Amino acid sequence: NAGVTQTPKFRILKIGQSMTLQCTQDMNHNYMYWYRQDPGMGLKLIYYSVGAGITDKGEVPNGYNVSRSTTEDFPLRLELAAPSQTSVYFCASTWTGDLDEQYFGPGTRLTVT
Amino acid sequence: AQKITQTQPGMFVQEKEAVTLDCTYDTSDQSYGLFWYKQPSSGEMIFLIYQGSYDEQNATEGRYSLNFQKARKSANLVISASQLGDSAMYFCAMRGTSGSRLTFGEGTQLTVNP
Repeated sequence: NAGVTQTPKFRILKIGQSMTLQCTQDMNHNYMYWYRQDPGMGLKLIYYSVGAGITDKGEVPNGYNVSRSTTEDFPLRLELAAPSQTSVYFCASTWTGDLDEQYFGPGTRLTVT
Repeated sequence: AQKITQTQPGMFVQEKEAVTLDCTYDTSDQSYGLFWYKQPSSGEMIFLIYQGSYDEQNATEGRYSLNFQKARKSANLVISASQLGDSAMYFCAMRGTSGSRLTFGEGTQLTVNP
């Protein structure tokens, strides 16, 4: 089982560049999430989706966009990258919005210089 | 709004001893879940244990147990018989019924000494 996969694992961007972080899950989960983790800190929610075609903002959505055209994929788009977006990005998924475990991808380490 | 507080930035324990990692929470939801995740230096998030707010028994998973005190709004993680491989960052998180998101604490860095 692949679970939740993320690409790329590492990326260095220059200020002002754009990129898309890919996230795919093969568990047919309805709910998907994007978190960022700054050094020495906990995870903060950027965006989430409760199903294909439905997305909503989390705590720290500024500078990001998402789309959910299929159940499996939930890409995160960074437009005009800034140094403040240097972070580790985690994608996660879960079957329902109830009180069940979230499965995390391995993370993408992004540096903006 | 939900809030998780982990007051121990770092903890040290001798191998084979037990250790308790503290977590307190605040929520207005009547029904909620509490989670603990382990993040080793490799960076992945590993689910350890879950406690539902209506569960009367404390959750246990192998060497991990969750000391749930609802009136005190605390959900401490107890690791018994610590191993060197337990050295990692540990995060407490909660999820309520008013949203599907997880709210994380700031984490506790556990170091197990030989």
